[in-house]
Amino acid sequence: NAGVTQTPKFRVLKTGQSMTLLCAQDMNHEYMYWYRQDPGMGLRLIHYSVGEGTTAKGEVPDGYNVSRLKKQNFLLGLESAAPSQTSVYFCASSRGGTGELFFGEGSRLTVL
Amino acid sequence: AQSVTQLGSHVSVSEGALVLLRCNYSSSVPPYLFWYVQYPNQGLQLLLKYTTGATLVKGINGFEAEFKKSETSFHLTKPSAHMSDAAEYFCAVSPRGYQKVTFGTGTKLQVIP
Repeated sequence: NAGVTQTPKFRVLKTGQSMTLLCAQDMNHEYMYWYRQDPGMGLRLIHYSVGEGTTAKGEVPDGYNVSRLKKQNFLLGLESAAPSQTSVYFCASSRGGTGELFFGEGSRLTVL
Repeated sequence: AQSVTQLGSHVSVSEGALVLLRCNYSSSVPPYLFWYVQYPNQGLQLLLKYTTGATLVKGINGFEAEFKKSETSFHLTKPSAHMSDAAEYFCAVSPRGYQKVTFGTGTKLQVIP
């Protein structure tokens, strides 16, 4: 049982480049989330989804877009990467509004 | 609005000593409360949670936490620290029936032999 899988695990981008992070879960969870983790700031919610075809903004949505075309997948896109987006990104999923999140192992993004 | 405050970004304890990690929350509606643990280079995993019922909740690895509504606190404790407890711990809050989970800034626990 893979749980929550994130790809890629590491990526280096130049300023202005675009990329997509993929999150896949095999637990049939309704809710999916993208967080970023920065030293001293904990986890901050970027975007989330409560079901296939729906997305909503979190605390820090600017510069990111998301899509949830299939229930098991949640994509996070950066259209024009900036150094301020250097971070570790975590995807999580949950069954309904329980607050109990299952996390992937993270994707470390560096923007030069 | 909901928020979580974790007192102390770094806590050091001796092996065998009591572990106490502090968390205070604010929430406009009755909350669900959580503690998550993150080991180096890994994602977060649930340690324990409070939803309803008994205010003292037990989690994995001997940890427990007590929900105190009057103090808006949810402190995490363990009677005797083990070297394997060295990790970063995050308190989190989610208002009941809502989708968003808000995390604190984390507390890194160091266990000294």
